[in-house]
Amino acid sequence: NAGVTQTPKFRILKIGQSMTLQCAQDMNHNYMYWYRQDPGMGLKLIYYSVGAGITDKGEVPNGYNVSRSTTEDFPLRLELAAPSQTSVYFCASTSQRGLSDTQYFGPGTRLTVL
Amino acid sequence: AQKITQTQPGMFVQEKEAVTLDCTYDTSDPSYGLFWYKQPSSGEMIFLIYQGSYDQQNATEGRYSLNFQKARKSANLVISASQLGDSAMYFCAIPNNAGNMLTFGGGTRLMVKP
Repeated sequence: NAGVTQTPKFRILKIGQSMTLQCAQDMNHNYMYWYRQDPGMGLKLIYYSVGAGITDKGEVPNGYNVSRSTTEDFPLRLELAAPSQTSVYFCASTSQRGLSDTQYFGPGTRLTVL
Repeated sequence: AQKITQTQPGMFVQEKEAVTLDCTYDTSDPSYGLFWYKQPSSGEMIFLIYQGSYDQQNATEGRYSLNFQKARKSANLVISASQLGDSAMYFCAIPNNAGNMLTFGGGTRLMVKP
């Protein structure tokens, strides 16, 4: 199993541009998450999904959109990129949603907005 | 709302010695859990260890153990016999009761000296 994969690894955007960060998992996990990690900080939840067709906002959703058309894929869309969105973006997934169910993370996408 | 605090921004430890990384939490949930993740310089988030508030014994995973003190609301990570490869950022995180997000602390950077 590849686990959770993310593309691209790095990206530089100009202010106002848009892009989609890709996330895929091959573990048949229902639950998927997008977090961002600002320099020197912990991770904060942007959006999450409990299954295909179902998404919900996390702690910091402004400026982002998500969709979940399949169990495997959970892309994150940035519209009108701003310097405040410069961050490392992590996708994660888990099989269940209990307290003890571990979220497994992808390798991250480092995004810079100039 | 849940809150996680890691009071040690950076720590040094001599190779082969043990080290304790602090984590305190604040939650109103009667049942909760606590995760520790490692983030090496390559950037990925690696799950290390988990313990639930209802677990009677402190969790251990190889050289990692959790020193869970519920009365003090602390869940410290103990790494025994430190290795150079342990140099990394370490994050503790607590899931909310809905299981749809992890709240992360700010992290501790551990540096192992040869």
